[in-house]
Amino acid sequence: AQSVTQLDSHVSVSEGTPVLLRCNYSSSYSPSLFWYVQHPNKGLQLLLKYTSAATLVKGINGFEAEFKKSETSFHLTKPSAHMSDAAEYFCVVSDNSPGKFYFGTGTSLTVIP
Amino acid sequence: GAVVSQHPSWVICKSGTSVKIECRSLDFQATTMFWYRQFPKQSLMLMATSNEGSKATYEQGVEKDKFLINHASLTLSTLTVTSAHPEDSSFYICSARSLAGSTDTQYFGPGTRLTVL
Repeated sequence: AQSVTQLDSHVSVSEGTPVLLRCNYSSSYSPSLFWYVQHPNKGLQLLLKYTSAATLVKGINGFEAEFKKSETSFHLTKPSAHMSDAAEYFCVVSDNSPGKFYFGTGTSLTVIP
Repeated sequence: GAVVSQHPSWVICKSGTSVKIECRSLDFQATTMFWYRQFPKQSLMLMATSNEGSKATYEQGVEKDKFLINHASLTLSTLTVTSAHPEDSSFYICSARSLAGSTDTQYFGPGTRLTVL
């Protein structure tokens, strides 16, 4: 069975400081993993995806995530937070066969000026 | 590339009426689209999987006669909320599955805010 746990429901950082959003997954398969961002009242935008290639994945807007199989983790990081990064972030694991997505509960990121 | 649109972006309707929401993949073909529902401050809940040319597959607990899905072409899926009630008020988001470049990815529409009075 596929599932995702986002360990923090809310994260606050100061502008210019590093961001760490944590995600652990459970999968019976070799998983595909994604991070999406959602700004208020908007749809989801793909930040990055892992599909069994390089374990360190670089995404848009300076975000990156590292796939660690031994820890079943796929944490999202950014070296320096910007005010525009304030949003809801979702970690997702994919069931490759029918292409279903399993969403985490989301992490709300606040960036303090 | 990989843009998905939804129409309308918001709709207000009276209780008992039906509302149709369109989901279009603008620059790629999608044999599979998904419909999600999102309550305030919560994650996305998958309602159904829409397959072009065949019946939709509904998740457990989702009424197929209330949420009618039609995947008319490789770029269009519609969700019709029939006999809407206030408890159907929600944010509905569609996604289109892309298999381009050997990666299986979903691209999401901007969502439709439904308010039932």
